[in-house]
This record gives sequence, C-alpha cells and structure tokens, in this order.
Amino acid sequence: SQQGEEDPQALSIQEGENATMNCSYKTSINNLQWYRQNSGRGLVHLILIRSNEREKHSGRLRVTLDTSKKSSSLLITASRAADTASYFCATDAQGSYIPTFGRGTSLIVHP
Amino acid sequence: DTAVSQTPKYLVTQMGNDKSIKCEQNLGHDTMYWYKQDSKKFLKIMFSYNNKELIINETVPNRFSPKSPDKAHLNLHINSLELGDSAVYFCASSQVNMGHGYTFGSGTRLTVV
Repeated sequence: SQQGEEDPQALSIQEGENATMNCSYKTSINNLQWYRQNSGRGLVHLILIRSNEREKHSGRLRVTLDTSKKSSSLLITASRAADTASYFCATDAQGSYIPTFGRGTSLIVHP
Repeated sequence: DTAVSQTPKYLVTQMGNDKSIKCEQNLGHDTMYWYKQDSKKFLKIMFSYNNKELIINETVPNRFSPKSPDKAHLNLHINSLELGDSAVYFCASSQVNMGHGYTFGSGTRLTVV
C-alpha cells in the first residue's frame, strides 16, 4: 500500500491566490519531500524536510511537517499560471531509503 | 548536461516483444531506481539498486529485470510485453544519506499494442 496520500486530488485557483496541498503518511519517516511534475515531464524535486524539522521555506514555497499527525502541507504563495502542475509528496520510511509517492494533487492556476 | 537521461523517450511495440529502456546518471549518485507511472499518475517503485544491493518490489512481475553494468547505469529489460505494461517509466537516482532529493529522468512512454 502507498505511504503518502495527497489531498485534495485536484485544486483550481486564480493567479495570485495561495495554494495549499496536504500529504498524510502511515509510518515513521526519515524525511518527506515534495515534487512537481509538469504535464509530460519527469518529476522535479522542490523541497525536502527532515523528520526533526517542522517548517521549511524555499522562495514562494512553504512546507510544514507534523510528525505527531503524520502529515505535511505544501503552501505555494502568490501562485502563477506556471505553477500549474501535479504535486507529489514522497516519504522515506525509517529503515528504508526507497521513496514512496502518493497519487499527487493536480493544481490548475488560471491566469 | 542532463543529470539523469533515459532512452528512448517513446516506445511503441507489440505484445510479446522484449524491449529495454536505458538510464544513465552523471551525478555520481550511489543509488538508482525505476518507477512506473500509470494513467492515474500513481508512481510505483519497481526497483532500487545501489551496486551492492538490489531491492525488488515483490509485486513487479519477473518479466521485468534491471541490469546495471556500472554505478552510472541502470537499464530496464522487459520480456514478453503485455498490454498492461503500457505506462510511463521513470528512472531516478539519489545519494542515500545525503538528505537530498531524488533526480528523475524525463520518462519513457511505453505503449504496447
């Protein structure tokens, strides 16, 4: 069974709005990562947050991690049409270094 | 310089054929992976290989086999292709324990007819 589950499955917003995506997982992890996938392309690594970190920023991206709830969120502020993509979370379960992915959140940003 | 390159980008073939997808990384990473992404975008790990240990997802049919001639290459061989093998296959690499993300190739879209 898959480790990470993204929520919502699809998100449609206007340019300039913030987009929030969530990820829940089942077992203890070493770290959690977020990836973006543009249509027809490979996955691009966005940000990695370790299990002992609670929040991390990278440009317009903000990731939080709550290990007690086994959940993470990805916030994209001031979204742009170019942010339109699928976003995946991936987790490395403790004792394993094989990342497992959720089904992704499909984000559409309307200009 | 493409960090993780896989070829071919598109592969159309008939049922029953045997095919290979090649993957090369020039990042010096110690671990490489193959993933299968289905039509619903679900990414499923198939193999993980770090030239010492091959970890196989037990749900992967034994028609699929990884071959690693050296640390920078992990090719995927598929025997007796079936319609259900149609998907996008991604190669990825990472340096385990470095706390960095995984670098993905651009994918190979396999269509079995």
